[in-house]
Amino acid sequence: EVQLLESGGGLVQPGGSLRLSCAASGLTFSSYAMSWVRQAPGKGLEWVSEMSGSGGGTYYADSVKGRFTISRDNSKNTVYLQMNSLRVEDTAVYYCTKGRYSSGWNWFDPWGQGTLVTVSS
Amino acid sequence: EIVLTQSPATLSLSPGERVTLSCRASQSVNTYLVWYQQKPGQAPRLLIYDASKRATGIPARFSGSGSGTDFTLTISSLEPEDFAVYYCQQRSNWITFGQGTRLEIK
Repeated sequence: EVQLLESGGGLVQPGGSLRLSCAASGLTFSSYAMSWVRQAPGKGLEWVSEMSGSGGGTYYADSVKGRFTISRDNSKNTVYLQMNSLRVEDTAVYYCTKGRYSSGWNWFDPWGQGTLVTVSS
Repeated sequence: EIVLTQSPATLSLSPGERVTLSCRASQSVNTYLVWYQQKPGQAPRLLIYDASKRATGIPARFSGSGSGTDFTLTISSLEPEDFAVYYCQQRSNWITFGQGTRLEIK
């Protein structure tokens, strides 16, 4: 069974930084693209970023491009999201999720339990 | 950006009823359309991928159809555990989600 466990969320001031981690188990990690999807309180789902299984391809939503960086360590079965220049509107639960394929545009299954990021002064 | 519009925003129904949820794309996504279910306090769960293929472990009462710009998710007979929010997602060109349809108990 594939399991995804996010960590690293918390309270940060506007302009600050935070790094999220997602540890995966039960899969050949390098065979799958990994994505981050967020959900603001009471709102819908917003795709944030994806990295291909090899790490050679990275993609970002316009809303985070230039501020967030996705990375992965296939030796540790972990994907990261470095979030800089955080804004109040980045406040959300951030989900880590596995893509069906190693690259390209995916559907997502499974999802982690999410980690809450709150940006507030 | 491909915009997905789900309708209705909210549906109030009773267990045992049949329900059809709609997802319309602003341009063709072929059959690259996905459906998820999300219950309060939980992560989304994959239901249907590529418009009509049920994910592993999803009951047969859930079915998806459509291609191009118009898609539907049908639940043939609502169970109490089906009351949740449903999202569609396209993977034809980047990734976008619909705004969700809330299915509530009448």
